[in-house]
Amino acid sequence: AQRVTQPEKLLSVFKGAPVELKCNYSYSGSPELFWYVQYSRQRLQLLLRHISRESIKGFTADLNKGETSFHLKKPFAQEEDSAMYYCALRAGAQKLVFGQGTRLTINP
Amino acid sequence: GAVVSQHPSRVICKSGTSVKIECRSLDFQATTMFWYRQFPKKSLMLMATSNEGSKATYEQGVEKDKFLINHASLTLSTLTVTSAHPEDSSFYICSAITSGDSYNEQFFGPGTRLTVL
Repeated sequence: AQRVTQPEKLLSVFKGAPVELKCNYSYSGSPELFWYVQYSRQRLQLLLRHISRESIKGFTADLNKGETSFHLKKPFAQEEDSAMYYCALRAGAQKLVFGQGTRLTINP
Repeated sequence: GAVVSQHPSRVICKSGTSVKIECRSLDFQATTMFWYRQFPKKSLMLMATSNEGSKATYEQGVEKDKFLINHASLTLSTLTVTSAHPEDSSFYICSAITSGDSYNEQFFGPGTRLTVL
């Protein structure tokens, strides 16, 4: 069965500190992973996808198949990074399976 | 990016009534739309996948007679919660995919808050 686990419901760090949001997955096929972000009072939007190997807003995420992880990292957190972050796995052609989400709070 | 709208944004209804939620792709044709349900402080749970002109595919445990989905055009999908009960109260979110995107990126609507009294 496909499953995405985000072990931290809440994460709080100070501005300028490094951030790591953890994501682990379970999937028998070749995984395609994403991070979505939801800022306060806004809709869910794509932050980054692993196949693009890109950095968006200073965030990066590397797929580690050995550890079945796709942790989201940023070296220096900014206050505007405060949001809800969801890790998602594409299972099949289009279907997405979401983790439970991590609420990130950046303290000034 | 592509824009998806939902209407209404918030609805309150009495138990036993039916409620229709619309999901529209505003500037693109959506070959596939998805309906999710989000409980408070929980993740998004996929309810069904809707393809234009065909029957929706429901996830396990989702009652298709309870949650009627119609995808009559390439820009509109509707979710009707029939004979709603308080346990149906939730946040319903739709998303859409355009056939022209090789990444099959899902664009999300703002969600509809349903409260059943």
